[in-house]
Amino acid sequence: GENVEQHPSTLSVQEGDSAVIKCTYSDSASNYFPWYKQELGKRPQLIIDIRSNVGEKKDQRIAVTLNKTAKHFSLHITETQPEDSAVYFCAASNDYKLSFGAGTTVTVRA
Amino acid sequence: SQTIHQWPATLVQPVGSPLSLECTVEGTSNPNLYWYRQAAGRGLQLLFYSVGIGQISSEVPQNLSASRPQDRQFILSSKKLLLSDSGFYLCASTGVGANYGYTFGSGTRLTVV
Repeated sequence: GENVEQHPSTLSVQEGDSAVIKCTYSDSASNYFPWYKQELGKRPQLIIDIRSNVGEKKDQRIAVTLNKTAKHFSLHITETQPEDSAVYFCAASNDYKLSFGAGTTVTVRA
Repeated sequence: SQTIHQWPATLVQPVGSPLSLECTVEGTSNPNLYWYRQAAGRGLQLLFYSVGIGQISSEVPQNLSASRPQDRQFILSSKKLLLSDSGFYLCASTGVGANYGYTFGSGTRLTVV
């Protein structure tokens, strides 16, 4: 099955700086890569996703890049704000199931 | 868009007691349905998924079971809870077909005492 590794496990950034989270996946057949944000005690929410026929996607301050050859994808958050503090999960899928990374706890320091 | 109703929100149960968590989906037909568990401060572990009525796939052998008695209803059960069953249980749904982002329910926080 698919194995997704996510780094770093924790990330502390100064407000206004950028944050980058990296994930690798094992199954070369995976073709869908979503990112979720989970605030404390709440459900994960989809924030951005990318499919394997696209190398980069951007939505305001967040962007995701995909390198199929290297089997890794990354989340970039620019101009971080306190409300960006949360746990972020990457995931990969090539069928009905999403395999999730272990999560990255992002703390934005004011 | 899909809406997932999941209940109860919190539950405290003694070891050895039974469990039944229910999830229903609105706004779509024939969804793929999933049960995930999240231990405190940890990632998301897939427990069961279903791509149709009566069809259940199990990802992790354990004392839990799942059923899908109706198209948009998914139930997670246990006959006897263990302490290790404590966690945050999330129901999720996707549209028809593969490779769509999940919509998660609001979750049930289960504490086994």
